[in-house]
Amino acid sequence: DTEVTQTPKHLVMGMTNKKSLKCEQHMGHRAMYWYKQKAKKPPELMFVYSYEKLSINESVPSRFSPECPNSSLLNLHLHALQPEDSALYLCASSPRQDLEAFFGQGTRLTVV
Amino acid sequence: DAKTTQPPSMDCAEGRAANLPCNHSTISGNEYVYWYRQIHSQGPQYIIHGLKNNETNEMASLIITEDRKSSTLILPHATLRDTAVYYCIPQEWGGGNKLTFGTGTQLKVEL
Repeated sequence: DTEVTQTPKHLVMGMTNKKSLKCEQHMGHRAMYWYKQKAKKPPELMFVYSYEKLSINESVPSRFSPECPNSSLLNLHLHALQPEDSALYLCASSPRQDLEAFFGQGTRLTVV
Repeated sequence: DAKTTQPPSMDCAEGRAANLPCNHSTISGNEYVYWYRQIHSQGPQYIIHGLKNNETNEMASLIITEDRKSSTLILPHATLRDTAVYYCIPQEWGGGNKLTFGTGTQLKVEL
């Protein structure tokens, strides 16, 4: 299995909702990443987990809360988002933090 | 982290070689050069990486100048499916890396 699987593919949520994005990989990778991508812009790094510990937080607002329950799974919990948080959210994994990364197809999030 | 400069856009005729340049003049001795691409509405895809020697795989070739200040990604026979944004990213081995994307080059392959 050489895939990074993200669910759901699309999500529409209200500003008062709580939702979660899920990312899964079964390649034995020990680094996992969350990115945010707005239209016509490059992906922006949000969080990096290395060996299930948070390694990098790029000063992301607390309404985004990452979680790495085990080495195969990465979640992004969303609460009280704003319309400007609407974007494509990409998950990636790599064997370790300095090696090539494999990306999922993303979750397209719309905040209404 | 080293800064990179890439042309914002390039065109290539199908079947011809696409040569995508990247300037990374501030690259450090232990930073590799990684290339990724992102086809519209998909997640980025790893292509190739190198340190100082030229590299080739089934997708592309990577030419790195001797002073390591620039590199060129070569797609030898571009097809319409190679239309994508191409990103050149220096990345330090053994470090707590951030995989940071610059603005990249939009390659358009046309008939």
